Amino acid sequence: ETGVTQTPRHLVMGMTNKKSLKCEQHLGHNAMYWYKQSAKKPLELMFVYSLEERVENNSVPSRFSPECPNSSHLFLHLHTLQPEDSALYLCASSLGQGVDEQFFGPGTRLTVL
Amino acid sequence: DAKTTQPTSMDCAEGRAANLPCNHSTISGNEYVYWYRQIHSQGPQYIIHGLKNNETNEMASLIITEDRKSSTLILPHATLRDTAVYYCIVRDVQGAQKLVFGQGTRLTINP
Repeated sequence: ETGVTQTPRHLVMGMTNKKSLKCEQHLGHNAMYWYKQSAKKPLELMFVYSLEERVENNSVPSRFSPECPNSSHLFLHLHTLQPEDSALYLCASSLGQGVDEQFFGPGTRLTVL
Repeated sequence: DAKTTQPTSMDCAEGRAANLPCNHSTISGNEYVYWYRQIHSQGPQYIIHGLKNNETNEMASLIITEDRKSSTLILPHATLRDTAVYYCIVRDVQGAQKLVFGQGTRLTINP
């Protein structure tokens, strides 16, 4: 138990669906992250939020839309995804910038049909 | 791109020390060495980090060479639950939220 929770743990969706992934941290951290882990590939950083402000967007397609309403919650809104978007989506948080370690949630296993 | 090189896989007997090497020959003075691990079907877990001195915590020890071009993560008494992919990452301390993961080392602890 890392203090970072993600829901749902598993999600199957069609290419025309709209769904959202939710991440919540109970650690009092100020920075939150979305990562993507595809099969046989390293983790890829998607988005970084610091104090609820997006500070990094790593050339992620617009069909992925993040939202950070407060420092404890992070969402990833999904629409018109492609089968190649099927992956494990991981959320992480850290106290702040710099050398702070990141705490990861268990991930959402997403399958796009 | 990841700035580290690690063996693809390693095996270790249960109860023995597991020594995982990492090369980071292009590391700069502002970059720390971080180690994370990912047990199957879970999110990555922080293990330890260091700049130039050796570090030890309840999970592991980190030995960094004097020229800082390589390091070794040591799990002193490996258990079956230490079977995981271990990632060595160098990370700039300046504005450094970014962790760049490579392929890591798949460590298998054998009974």
